[in-house]
Amino acid sequence: DVVMTQTPPSLSVAIGQSVSISCKSSQSLVYSDGKTYLHWLLQSSGRSPKRLIYQVSNLDSGVPDRFSGTGSQKDFTLKISRVEAKDLGVYYCAQTTHFPNTFGAGTKLELK
Amino acid sequence: QVQLKESGPGLVQPSETLSLTCTVSGFSLTSYSVSWVRQPSGKGPEWMGRMWYDGDTAYNSALKSRLSISRDTSKNQVFLKMNSLQTDDTGTYYCTREGHWGQGVMVTVSS
Repeated sequence: DVVMTQTPPSLSVAIGQSVSISCKSSQSLVYSDGKTYLHWLLQSSGRSPKRLIYQVSNLDSGVPDRFSGTGSQKDFTLKISRVEAKDLGVYYCAQTTHFPNTFGAGTKLELK
Repeated sequence: QVQLKESGPGLVQPSETLSLTCTVSGFSLTSYSVSWVRQPSGKGPEWMGRMWYDGDTAYNSALKSRLSISRDTSKNQVFLKMNSLQTDDTGTYYCTREGHWGQGVMVTVSS
């Protein structure tokens, strides 16, 4: 199985600050069609996960451009600029290139 | 709009079989695949398996011997059955479709 390693496990942030979360995979996430199926999700407290970014850098509908995703092959980063209170929760990276699809262990973003 | 909703029993006895239903709306099961994902409390999600749009299935090898996914396209429903449940199967079970998640159903395995 592809292991997704997220760092850090938690982040304390002040409103307005910018943060980055790293996600590294144990195998390349480039599929045979040339696309990279690495996604970022946010799970707010008591809620279902919500996808924010798909295929490394594409924002889902309604996601503010304060969120951005970069990376390639096995090394990916989620950046959140000007953090707002509604951004708090647990962020997961997930890959759907390989079976079984796998998730990172999560990064908890909380207020400083 | 795309919606998925899970339903099923909240409590299952150890060694028994879990049966869950995912009812979808806003899209056709013959055009999109639906996955089942579970999440133990306080832990990350685990992909369980998928019903492909063409009726084929894929399973997590860790669960394959206990898991079955099927569908009824006329009712817009996808089904999950997993047998021999143990306490570490406790968690929230979700059905998902490409960026869309249901609200989840909490399942507790306990006598």
